[in-house]
Amino acid sequence: AQSVTQPDIHITVSEGASLELRCNYSYGATPYLFWYVQSPGQGLQLLLKYFSGDTLVQGIKGFEAEFKRSQSSFNLRKPSVHWSDAAEYFCAVALIQGAQKLVFGQGTRLTINP
Amino acid sequence: DAGVIQSPRHEVTEMGQEVTLRCKPISGHDYLFWYRQTMMRGLELLIYFNNNVPIDDSGMPEDRFSAKMPNASFSTLKIQPSEPRDSAVYFCASSLTLAGGYEQFFGPGTRLTVL
Repeated sequence: AQSVTQPDIHITVSEGASLELRCNYSYGATPYLFWYVQSPGQGLQLLLKYFSGDTLVQGIKGFEAEFKRSQSSFNLRKPSVHWSDAAEYFCAVALIQGAQKLVFGQGTRLTINP
Repeated sequence: DAGVIQSPRHEVTEMGQEVTLRCKPISGHDYLFWYRQTMMRGLELLIYFNNNVPIDDSGMPEDRFSAKMPNASFSTLKIQPSEPRDSAVYFCASSLTLAGGYEQFFGPGTRLTVL
């Protein structure tokens, strides 16, 4: 069965430090890949997505993600975090056929220390 | 555009009562999704529609849950009768086929508490 794993439930980093959030997926083929962010009390907002082509994808708010087929991973990175980045981050995948249906990981809660 | 609109934002009800959650998708979007988010189960897809037609309702937990989309600009999710375990945040999302790149736009959610 298709699945998405975010190994880290909670991560704490200091403001200005670099960030990497992990995401692994289990599918027979390369799916479409997404990262969403959820600020407290709000809905989810798309940060970036990967369909094909360049495996390093740039998103909003200074985030990027790299697709690694050999590792079935799509990790999210940011070189220097800001206090406003504190939120919950969700990785999601969609099969190319039926791509409208997303499967979400359990999420990673990011806390920023001042 | 105002984005996806959900109402109410908060709902507190007693066990056994009927609950109706409402959603207005982004104008022109042809897909609409209902999700439920809890600490235990994370974000779950309940049902989704394409051009007002239900496509996949395999995530609907049981017969107490029903969803309708009478037109392109309105959808409801109804729980009857409600139970305490239905307490969760319910999100509505919409998307646009192909040209929209499959991005789903989420509403702010309805926080449901069943006492």
